[in-house]
Amino acid sequence: DTGVSQDPRHKITKRGQNVTFRCDPISEHNRLYWYRQTLGQGPEFLTYFQNEAQLEKSRLLSDRFSAERPKGSFSTLEIQRTEQGDSAMYLCASSRLGLNQPQHFGDGTRLSIL
Amino acid sequence: AQSVTQLGSHVSVSEGALVLLRCNYSSSVPPYLFWYVQYPNQGLQLLLKYTTGATLVKGINGFEAEFKKSETSFHLTKPSAHMSDAAEYFCAVSEPPDFGNEKLTFGTGTRLTIIP
Repeated sequence: DTGVSQDPRHKITKRGQNVTFRCDPISEHNRLYWYRQTLGQGPEFLTYFQNEAQLEKSRLLSDRFSAERPKGSFSTLEIQRTEQGDSAMYLCASSRLGLNQPQHFGDGTRLSIL
Repeated sequence: AQSVTQLGSHVSVSEGALVLLRCNYSSSVPPYLFWYVQYPNQGLQLLLKYTTGATLVKGINGFEAEFKKSETSFHLTKPSAHMSDAAEYFCAVSEPPDFGNEKLTFGTGTRLTIIP
């Protein structure tokens, strides 16, 4: 497999702007996860898709955040009206359905808010 | 709810010495446990996992971990440290498939430094 791909790798934007990140999971992986990692912390779960259905959203995912996976393949994560506190690494992971299937992580998108 | 505590945010060992990274978990259901490694500006790579069965699990790069239910621990070890082991290590817990979506709950990480 070619691995989980995330784009862009880095994003610098001004406070109040909207940003969108893309994640391409490993092909045939039904499950897709988004996590957020702030400096010095472990990743925190944001949301989860099984195929095109968004099945769970964390309380961390405020109304300014929206995620989609329209055809059950790639996913996008949009943040509207960015705030300083949104600065973080946004990680995407994918896995197969079934027992004991590990999550494979992309290299992340690092967001910096000026 | 599940949680993970990693004791020691920074650990330094000499090259060739034993590596021991500590992880304790809290879970109301039988846990699945994981260790991931993260190199600078990269995503996480799975080192090893425990789901069911044998409590001593072996992973990549010579690492292993032992699940101890009585101690709610899943410590990571490697007999002989190598310079390339310098990285950030994360312990994580998830619920089994029949309990949830297997989302991972991570600890705050341990930065491992190898002294030449």
